[in-house]
Amino acid sequence: ETGVTQTPRHLVMGMTNKKSLKCEQHLGHNAMYWYKQSAKKPLELMFVYSLEERVENNSVPSRFSPECPNSSHLFLHLHTLQPEDSALYLCASSQDFRGNTIYFGEGSWLTVV
Amino acid sequence: AQSVSQHNHHVILSEAASLELGCNYSYGGTVNLFWYVQYPGQHLQLLLKYFSGDPLVKGIKGFEAEFIKSKFSFNLRKPSVQWSDTAEYFCAVSGTGNTPLVFGKGTRLSVIA
Repeated sequence: ETGVTQTPRHLVMGMTNKKSLKCEQHLGHNAMYWYKQSAKKPLELMFVYSLEERVENNSVPSRFSPECPNSSHLFLHLHTLQPEDSALYLCASSQDFRGNTIYFGEGSWLTVV
Repeated sequence: AQSVSQHNHHVILSEAASLELGCNYSYGGTVNLFWYVQYPGQHLQLLLKYFSGDPLVKGIKGFEAEFIKSKFSFNLRKPSVQWSDTAEYFCAVSGTGNTPLVFGKGTRLSVIA
């Protein structure tokens, strides 16, 4: 139990589908993150939300759309993805967006077919 | 922009061998440094961290890391590895201001009996 819960754990979607990944943190943190983990690549930071405002968006294609309705929940909406988007998507949280320890969820394995 | 280099992609050791995993970073200011570990099928979890003070940091499971500022390094060590240390190890760095963690590509450690 990490305090950061992600659903679904596994998702297979077609390139024309629309789906969403959900993340919930039970740690009382103010910052939440989406990372992408692909084989043989560093963990890529996608988005950062601090106090429900997006503070970082690392040139992520618009087919990925984050949403942070409150400080405990974070979504990643997926639309018209490509096979190269298949990866492990990790949600994380930290006390605040200031170089603190980040706590990760178990990830959502996404396969785009 | 900050970056992290982990020079070893895959390390294979026998049980009881000593371990040292290299990590070098590039960043102009004061840094926070982390090592995360990902055991097979599990989430990323914090192994140890350095924010300030004694540059030799001790973490869980007998791991330690030494921050050498002049070398921009934060190498991870363990005097005697066990089979259960088989995992992927990630070095990460952030500035002390509003900067997110940047991860290295990771080093896969395989410990054989």
